[in-house]
Amino acid sequence: DAGITQSPRHKVTETGTPVTLRCHQTENHRYMYWYRQDPGHGLRLIHYSYGVKDTDKGEVSDGYSVSRSKTEDFLLTLESATSSQTSVYFCAISVSQFGGTTDTQYFGPGTRLTVL
Amino acid sequence: RKEVEQDPGPFNVPEGATVAFNCTYSNSASQSFFWYRQDCRKEPKLLMSVYSSGNEDGRFTAQLNRASQYISLLIRDSKLSDSATYLCVVTSTGSARQLTFGSGTQLTVLP
Repeated sequence: DAGITQSPRHKVTETGTPVTLRCHQTENHRYMYWYRQDPGHGLRLIHYSYGVKDTDKGEVSDGYSVSRSKTEDFLLTLESATSSQTSVYFCAISVSQFGGTTDTQYFGPGTRLTVL
Repeated sequence: RKEVEQDPGPFNVPEGATVAFNCTYSNSASQSFFWYRQDCRKEPKLLMSVYSSGNEDGRFTAQLNRASQYISLLIRDSKLSDSATYLCVVTSTGSARQLTFGSGTQLTVLP
């Protein structure tokens, strides 16, 4: 258990509505990530953070923004949700192993988002 | 071409069988390699890291061939509880802290 929680766990919303997903970690890890998972595409990185107020884009960042005002919280916002953003969203943290030469990621339980 | 390619399966095998999954990756600069397991409607969980010399964890054996950019996972004496999707994962281009995931190989172990 990597001490990661996500909220909400399920959400149904309508097109054009803003949505914010929250990821919370209890172990002070520096790196946090947001992914989406869709059939046939696997997990794709949306945004990641390497510290408070330090974020960067991933492979599929269009239509998403993030914020990290505290080490423990990483928020993902869909400013105006679209049906193409219906997906399962996973948050992850990165843990250094083997003296920092390898980083392993651990995932939260996921949020199932449906945009109607 | 996808950065990480896996046979999606599904692989349906009887209990006790040996099954092997393969994965190829395109980024020759990748340094770290992993297999993750994902149960239906759950989050991915780390199964094992993959080392150049090959490594074993109980019934699971992982192999890496850097020259061919190929990773494998062998499961011996399959159990019903091994039924899951297995994700091949490598470090992404340009960053050791970003991972690229394959789409996964689905395994069902039948009684």
